[in-house]
Amino acid sequence: AQKITQTQPGMFVQEKEAVTLDCTYDTSDPSYGLFWYKQPSSGEMIFLIYQGSYDQQNATEGRYSLNFQKARKSANLVISASQLGDSAMYFCAMREGQIGGFKTIFGAGTRLFVKA
Amino acid sequence: DTAVSQTPKYLVTQMGNDKSIKCEQNLGHDTMYWYKQDSKKFLKIMFSYNNKELIINETVPNRFSPKSPDKAHLNLHINSLELGDSAVYFCASSQDRGLEQFFGPGTRLTVL
Repeated sequence: AQKITQTQPGMFVQEKEAVTLDCTYDTSDPSYGLFWYKQPSSGEMIFLIYQGSYDQQNATEGRYSLNFQKARKSANLVISASQLGDSAMYFCAMREGQIGGFKTIFGAGTRLFVKA
Repeated sequence: DTAVSQTPKYLVTQMGNDKSIKCEQNLGHDTMYWYKQDSKKFLKIMFSYNNKELIINETVPNRFSPKSPDKAHLNLHINSLELGDSAVYFCASSQDRGLEQFFGPGTRLTVL
């Protein structure tokens, strides 16, 4: 079974609009972490935002926010005021496990296209 | 002042050869990782080292052997390369085993 599911292989958004990239996860660990990474066409992986399972507030980093709904096991990324430079692959990831055996699992990714 | 560096950036080789990819981080992190990203962009962890000790070894063929001479380096040696080994290999590091990972630029391996 997929641990991290990103159901949108591709998304289009108009420049300056907001966009939500979906991510659902599956774990039985009470303590876990959720991440979003961006991979532009140049290939590097860029960390965007982190949400811990015990965090009460949704994480925000500039134009990025993570809509964390624990009961639904979803961790959607919201990008506000999209820019052309936001066009990239976006990966949702989950860290689970115990000290001595943490593992980070990545979703299949969503390719975002920002239109001028 | 690159945080995580990998060499080489591109590697083209024949089937059956042995090759190595080097990774260095200057962030003072204690945990380093190797990931493989296939042609469909799927990213999968291969190995994780903490303070030079192997802590995660996913079901990777034993043709792949990571080596960590010190905390700042994690090299990947691949024996008897196969066509299916063609992928982009990413090195990453983190301060703690579970926190945000910083990725290297990737090494694109092509096996002919």
